[in-house]
Amino acid sequence: ELKVEQNPLFLSMQEGKNYTIYCNYSTTSDRLYWYRQDPGKSLESLFVLLSNGAVKQEGRLMASLDTKARLSTLHITAAVHDLSATYFCAVPTHSGGGADGLTFGKGTHLIIQP
Amino acid sequence: ETGVTQTPRHLVMGMTNKKSLKCEQHLGHNAMYWYKQSAKKPLELMFVYNFKEQTENNSVPSRFSPECPNSSHLFLHLHTLQPEDSALYLCASSQDWTPQYFGPGTRLLVL
Repeated sequence: ELKVEQNPLFLSMQEGKNYTIYCNYSTTSDRLYWYRQDPGKSLESLFVLLSNGAVKQEGRLMASLDTKARLSTLHITAAVHDLSATYFCAVPTHSGGGADGLTFGKGTHLIIQP
Repeated sequence: ETGVTQTPRHLVMGMTNKKSLKCEQHLGHNAMYWYKQSAKKPLELMFVYNFKEQTENNSVPSRFSPECPNSSHLFLHLHTLQPEDSALYLCASSQDWTPQYFGPGTRLLVL
């Protein structure tokens, strides 16, 4: 059974600081997704990482994937308050291609304080 | 309408009621999904439909009955639910492996 683990689950940090969220998964996968969820809202897609060594950046967020280590990281640079949200990583439940349900981590609740 | 829409946005029902949740995607995607998000558990996949055919039922109790009449519409029929079924029900769609786009969700309370 696929397990997806995120850490930390809760993170409070100051504006301007850097930090990294980690996502480990238990079975082979060549795809990994990162989502953001604001309180009371739905999930917003941030990144899809499709191969070993993939790196994607958008603004102050950068995501990377190491399929051999079964590890993805979401790095936050010079955090600003607007990035406060819950961040989820997710991996396809089955290793085949095409449409597939996702197994999600528990999420990292990020609070950025002025 | 754009993206993925869900109705109703909020629903309160008794344990003996029957209700349905509706999802519509305006993205031309071929796959649709139901997920459950509750306070006590991570996001849980419930059902997957690919080209209208159910390809996954993640051991969901029979009191939840999905229906996918075409690639744009997905329903979740509810009957004799339990209080522990109270949660946010999220619909999503995708084109193959592309990121799943989520609707706003239906917040369900079972009394």
